[in-house]
Amino acid sequence: EAGVAQSPRYKIIEKRQSVAFWCNPISGHATLYWYQQILGQGPKLLIQFQNNGVVDDSQLPKDRFSAERLKGVDSTLKIQPAKLEDSAVYLCASGGPGGRPYNEQFFGPGTRLTVL
Amino acid sequence: EDQVTQSPEALRLQEGESSSLNCSYTVSGLRGLFWYRQDPGKGPEFLFTLYSAGEEKEKERLKATLTKKESFLHITAPKPEDSATYLCAVQARSRLGGFKTIFGAGTRLFVKA
Repeated sequence: EAGVAQSPRYKIIEKRQSVAFWCNPISGHATLYWYQQILGQGPKLLIQFQNNGVVDDSQLPKDRFSAERLKGVDSTLKIQPAKLEDSAVYLCASGGPGGRPYNEQFFGPGTRLTVL
Repeated sequence: EDQVTQSPEALRLQEGESSSLNCSYTVSGLRGLFWYRQDPGKGPEFLFTLYSAGEEKEKERLKATLTKKESFLHITAPKPEDSATYLCAVQARSRLGGFKTIFGAGTRLFVKA
């Protein structure tokens, strides 16, 4: 079974530039999560989708971050404009079939973003 | 405020030296507690889910237990390949009516041969 795919794996941008990350979840998984993991910290949930709909985005900085999940499959996370403090690894995860909210999550390898 | 705290921050063991990692939590409406392993440069890898106090799960040298306020990850006779960061996460009801996931900062485990 293929895992969660993310791209790009690494990205370096200047502050105030824009950047987008892409995630393809495990086939059939209804729930998709985006996390931000700053070095030395645990992942912080940014947004959670159930199929096409947003379940939780309470920690998403909506003035600069946006996310969408097209047709309940792939998802993109965008930052516009980026700040220095956005330097982190952005992890995508997907949850099992049936949409049970407390399923275990399967993570992709992450995108390491450096903002200069 | 919902919170997950892991201790110690780092743990150095000799091969074969058993120990435990702690995860204490303060959340309302706990739905499940998860343990993950994270290797450098990789995403977290699922280990266990615990749903209710008194529950235990085992996998090779790892055993996870859950009480009403904390969870322990016991490592028996660790090997160097067990070296990683171990993350604890809880899933709890959010104010928006759905569920949210909160991770602890992790415990970095180093096992020396």
